[in-house]
Amino acid sequence: AQKVTQAQTEISVVEKEDVTLDCVYETRDTTYYLFWYKQPPSGELVFLIRRNSFDEQNEISGRYSWNFQKSTSSFNFTITASQVVDSAVYFCALRKSNNAGNMLTFGGGTRLMVKP
Amino acid sequence: DTEVTQTPKHLVMGMTNKKSLKCEQHMGHRAMYWYKQKAKKPPELMFVYSYEKLSINESVPSRFSPECPNSSLLNLHLHALQPEDSALYLCASSQSLADSYNEQFFGPGTRLTVL
Repeated sequence: AQKVTQAQTEISVVEKEDVTLDCVYETRDTTYYLFWYKQPPSGELVFLIRRNSFDEQNEISGRYSWNFQKSTSSFNFTITASQVVDSAVYFCALRKSNNAGNMLTFGGGTRLMVKP
Repeated sequence: DTEVTQTPKHLVMGMTNKKSLKCEQHMGHRAMYWYKQKAKKPPELMFVYSYEKLSINESVPSRFSPECPNSSLLNLHLHALQPEDSALYLCASSQSLADSYNEQFFGPGTRLTVL
């Protein structure tokens, strides 16, 4: 069985602070894909990143960075110099490879509130 | 065009009504999905279509009836819903179900209230 845990249900920071959102996953598969999505108050889930299990390189995209650690089954997301527009719910998700349905297992989400 | 559109944005319906939700994408994606999301919960998969054929039905009650008339359109027909069906209904698409093209792109959702 697969499981994704986002232990932080809510995080509140002040603008310009750095913040890390944790994601821990469980899977028996050796090949799998991990995703992060952002859901602002408007409701749409915005795709942020996909990482496959063979690629443990960390990634940076502007103020966003992701730390994939296969040894600890974690795929954490850091926002540097947070802004009010970063306020949203963030979901980490896991997909099995060879999953005919392309089914995602979502974590419970972390609500990030960035105050001015 | 890199977006998924959904109409209507909001829908209020009675338990005896029949209504439909519509989803459209023009990215040439061949896989489309319906999700249901309750407040403060992650999305839950309902249906998956691949090349206009129903690929997965996650044991969804028959009062929800999906339809994929062509590769760009996905409908969800609603009939005799219950108040507990009130939720945000999200549509998504991906290039295919294959590994290399599996990131899903979501629409803004339809917020449904059943009275």
